[in-house]
Amino acid sequence: DGGITQSPKYLFRKEGQNVTLSCEQNLNHDAMYWYRQDPGQGLRLIYYSQIVNDFQKGDIAEGYSVSREKKESFPLTVTSAQKNPTAFYLCASSIDNRGAFFGQGTRLTVV
Amino acid sequence: AQRVTQPEKLLSVFKGAPVELKCNYSYSGSPELFWYVQYSRQRLQLLLRHISRESIKGFTADLNKGETSFHLKKPFAQEEDSAMYYCAIGGGADGLTFGKGTHLIIQP
Repeated sequence: DGGITQSPKYLFRKEGQNVTLSCEQNLNHDAMYWYRQDPGQGLRLIYYSQIVNDFQKGDIAEGYSVSREKKESFPLTVTSAQKNPTAFYLCASSIDNRGAFFGQGTRLTVV
Repeated sequence: AQRVTQPEKLLSVFKGAPVELKCNYSYSGSPELFWYVQYSRQRLQLLLRHISRESIKGFTADLNKGETSFHLKKPFAQEEDSAMYYCAIGGGADGLTFGKGTHLIIQP
């Protein structure tokens, strides 16, 4: 069953803590993306990767980090430097210009 | 930098009426444009892309390079069309950029 999987579905973080959101795809897509979705803000691009071992900052990369060691995986770390991390995070993958496939999302809450 | 503007946060139309969701973009070069839809409690999914010139669920979108627009249209709205709609551009070296979305409500 091909697709893109994000985990966990819900995540709680204490102030000052780093957390990592998982994103895995078995679609053999080269490109992967991380977005943040806030009410009224649409989707804002955090980081994206066109190929393994390479990634670029999006519009709101501050306070986040990523890695792309494998084609299938693109984890996102929300660091303590991110001052307002409570949001819904979406991961996507794509190949060529056929459009992106999205995961179900992770809802991160700071407690 | 590429940019997408969806001027309407909310659009409400009656069932059977025509629908037009507006999307304007700025991009240097030949853009790749998409419409995505998010139904309640479902993941975001691709609705259509300009390069394929297809019609999905009765929706069409025409790229107008002169007006830098990619409006989404449907001649007769159905209640199941109620959802959030996002216009997007890119997917290449500059990533995939989304507009802020339009919440479409179809009234019975």
